[in-house]
Amino acid sequence: DAGVIQSPRHEVTEMGQEVTLRCKPISGHNSLFWYRQTMMRGLELLIYFNNNVPIDDSGMPEDRFSAKMPNASFSTLKIQPSEPRDSAVYFCASSPPAPPSYEQYFGPGTRLTVT
Amino acid sequence: AQSVTQLGSHVSVSEGALVLLRCNYSSSVPPYLFWYVQYPNQGLQLLLKYTSAATLVKGINGFEAEFKKSETSFHLTKPSAHMSDAAEYFCAVTSAGNNRKLIWGLGTSLAVNP
Repeated sequence: DAGVIQSPRHEVTEMGQEVTLRCKPISGHNSLFWYRQTMMRGLELLIYFNNNVPIDDSGMPEDRFSAKMPNASFSTLKIQPSEPRDSAVYFCASSPPAPPSYEQYFGPGTRLTVT
Repeated sequence: AQSVTQLGSHVSVSEGALVLLRCNYSSSVPPYLFWYVQYPNQGLQLLLKYTSAATLVKGINGFEAEFKKSETSFHLTKPSAHMSDAAEYFCAVTSAGNNRKLIWGLGTSLAVNP
């Protein structure tokens, strides 16, 4: 089975540009999570969806960040405008219906560099 | 509120030695506990999980963890380290009422010396 798919794997952009990260969760999973990982702050949960509905976006840094999940097989995380401090690895993870499963399955990540 | 503490941000062992990575949790309700591994430039991979069945949980790559309620611990062990075990390891906790969110530890970087 295909795992969580993220694109692009690497993104280099200039400050002020719009960045869109994409995620395809595992088929049959009904929860989707966006994380950001940096050396300074570790792994941070940005937002998560359950059945395509945003449940908790308290981790979204500011209004420059937005996320959507138009259907069960696709989600986007957009940064507009991007800033150098947004440079990080962004992970998408999905989770099957609970209970009994609460584990999350991670994609390979998108490494974002904003210059 | 739930929390996770991983004791030791860096652990170094010799190849063939016992691996012990410590995780203590705080939870007022029955927890579900997880260990994940992250190899360089990769995503996090589930190693093993505790979901209130057997207290000794076996995972992939020869790792296992034991849930000890009295000690609020879920330490990860492997009898004999391989060079390929060098990675970052994360412990996480959640519960049935936690809205699917995992609470993460800060991670432990494991180095394996030849």
